[in-house]
Amino acid sequence: RKEVEQDPGPFNVPEGATVAFNCTYSNSASQSFFWYRQDCRKEPKLLMSVYSSGNEDGRFTAQLNRASQYISLLIRDSKLSDSATYLCVASRSNDYKLSFGAGTTVTVRA
Amino acid sequence: DTAVSQTPKYLVTQMGNDKSIKCEQNLGHDTMYWYKQDSKKFLKIMFSYNNKELIINETVPNRFSPKSPDKAHLNLHINSLELGDSAVYFCASSRRWTGGAFQETQYFGPGTRLLVL
Repeated sequence: RKEVEQDPGPFNVPEGATVAFNCTYSNSASQSFFWYRQDCRKEPKLLMSVYSSGNEDGRFTAQLNRASQYISLLIRDSKLSDSATYLCVASRSNDYKLSFGAGTTVTVRA
Repeated sequence: DTAVSQTPKYLVTQMGNDKSIKCEQNLGHDTMYWYKQDSKKFLKIMFSYNNKELIINETVPNRFSPKSPDKAHLNLHINSLELGDSAVYFCASSRRWTGGAFQETQYFGPGTRLLVL
């Protein structure tokens, strides 16, 4: 089982829509969770850190469900510029290094 | 100012050659990383240095050798390149290595696209 699993998508949504997706992690003891955004042929960039039950940053809301071991990301009022791959990250079970999911692709259309 | 920079951005080379990729960060961070992102988009940790000391060494062929001359630089040398080494290599840095459950945010360089022919 992979440390972090994500629905690869793609999620195709119209501008202004709300889109949400989850990732699951295998290490019940993980304490560090992040969402990174990666544009095509670019480096991953931090979108949000998730350290407690969840947090909100503008149109982006991350939720952490420790009982079910998943993290969700919700994007409200989608913009064309939100089109990207969203990488879910959790710390690994044995050594706490960060483990990256393969990403969920979101495409926002006009 | 670029926070984490890598050179070269593109590298096309023949099988069997030896090549190096350089990384520099000007964030004052203690910890630096090398990741490989293959065609399936998984980012996999290869190595990490904390204050010039190797702290993470994944199961990577010994053809790959990292070097950290100081805490702002982490280079990656690859000997006898193989077709399967073709990938995007990302350098990253974080403020420190906690060695525990809470991990610091990592900041990535622009990547080096390596193509082995």
